[in-house]
Amino acid sequence: EAGVVQSPRYKIIEKKQPVAFWCNPISGHNTLYWYRQNLGQGPELLIRYENEEAVDDSQLPKDRFSAERLKGVDSTLKIQPAELGDSAVYLCASSHPQDMTLYNEQFFGPGTRLTVL
Amino acid sequence: LAKTTQPISMDSYEGQEVNITCSHNNIATNDYITWYQQFPSQGPRFIIQGYKTKVTNEVASLFIPADRKSSTLSLPRVSLSDTAVYYCLVGDDGAAGNKLTFGGGTRVLVKP
Repeated sequence: EAGVVQSPRYKIIEKKQPVAFWCNPISGHNTLYWYRQNLGQGPELLIRYENEEAVDDSQLPKDRFSAERLKGVDSTLKIQPAELGDSAVYLCASSHPQDMTLYNEQFFGPGTRLTVL
Repeated sequence: LAKTTQPISMDSYEGQEVNITCSHNNIATNDYITWYQQFPSQGPRFIIQGYKTKVTNEVASLFIPADRKSSTLSLPRVSLSDTAVYYCLVGDDGAAGNKLTFGGGTRVLVKP
């Protein structure tokens, strides 16, 4: 079974440029997450989708970050314009509803490493 | 929001048992305790989850005392490939379910 797919794996851009990340979750997983992981720290949730609905975007810096999951399957995360502090690894994860609805097992992709110069 | 505290790093040797203790004094009644493992250049991977007492799977064991204010992840007979960062997480029972809050994790280095 294919895991969570992310692209690109690496991206280097200059500040003020736009950038987009793509994620394809595991087939059948209706919950999709985007995380940001700074060097030496744990991942931080940016946004969570249930199908095509963003149910938790409280941590998403909405002035420059946007995300979409139009058909409830794959998703894109965009930054415009990028700032130096946005350099990080952007992780996508997905999960499937289980009896323990609060704490599903999440399956993570390999991430996109963004470097803003 | 339950906060977790775990050691920043631990060193071990191949074949030894590694025990990582996590403190979560403010754990709520409905919270579960979950551990993830992360290798360099990879996303975190679910290892084990529990609510109380002991849980064991093919990868690790999780010990949770009766007061649930701490938990211990036990990795039996580690190998070099177990070198990774291990995260202890406690369920966030806020309005948005399925919310994982990662701390800094414990960096485990297994030496030959």
